[in-house]
Amino acid sequence: DMQLTQSPSILSAFVGDRVTIACRASQRIDDWLAWYQQKPGKAPKLLIYKASHLQSGVPSRFSGSGFGTEFTLTIAGLQPDDFATYYCQQWNGYLTTFGQGTKLEIK
Amino acid sequence: QVQLQQSGPGLVKPSGTLSLTCLVSGASITSSDWWIWIRQSPGKGLEWIAEINDSGSTYYNPSLKSRASLSLQKSKKQFYLTLSSVTAADTAVYFCARRFQWLAFDVWGQGILVTVSS
Repeated sequence: DMQLTQSPSILSAFVGDRVTIACRASQRIDDWLAWYQQKPGKAPKLLIYKASHLQSGVPSRFSGSGFGTEFTLTIAGLQPDDFATYYCQQWNGYLTTFGQGTKLEIK
Repeated sequence: QVQLQQSGPGLVKPSGTLSLTCLVSGASITSSDWWIWIRQSPGKGLEWIAEINDSGSTYYNPSLKSRASLSLQKSKKQFYLTLSSVTAADTAVYFCARRFQWLAFDVWGQGILVTVSS
């Protein structure tokens, strides 16, 4: 079965920091990976699609990279609004899988 | 601007059937998109349930063991989820969403908390 493993599970950082969240796929998925931000009580919000493409309206401090099985989401210059939970997601042709999530906390 | 509006009961009895509706506004149900149901148990991560396209083709999460069923009515711009034989483990916030051409979910419903309890 396809699995996505995110690291770390919890990340503490200061406003203004640059942070990176990793997502590892158990099988090669080329660049078919997306990243979402979710705040408590809200639906997830698409940030990045196809590994590195910024969704319309998302601030440019968010960026994604990777191919195959290793992917990263980077936030450059954390803002107070960025403290949330982040998920990676892939679709392999017949199944969608999410990572377990990374909670970004303010230090 | 595409929007999804969910509706359905917030309480379902154990062994009963959960039924939810998602109304699409601002767009038609077209061949380029897939329409998705996802859930999130309290304090947990996201779980993909199933998806359907405009032709009625479907994919389901095997973990639900055939309890889930999707359908859609293009004329009403609605798609539906039914989940049978529910237990307390099915208590979750249920989201509908659209998967667009780049295989990501760009539009989401507001979410509905469904509690399974007698």
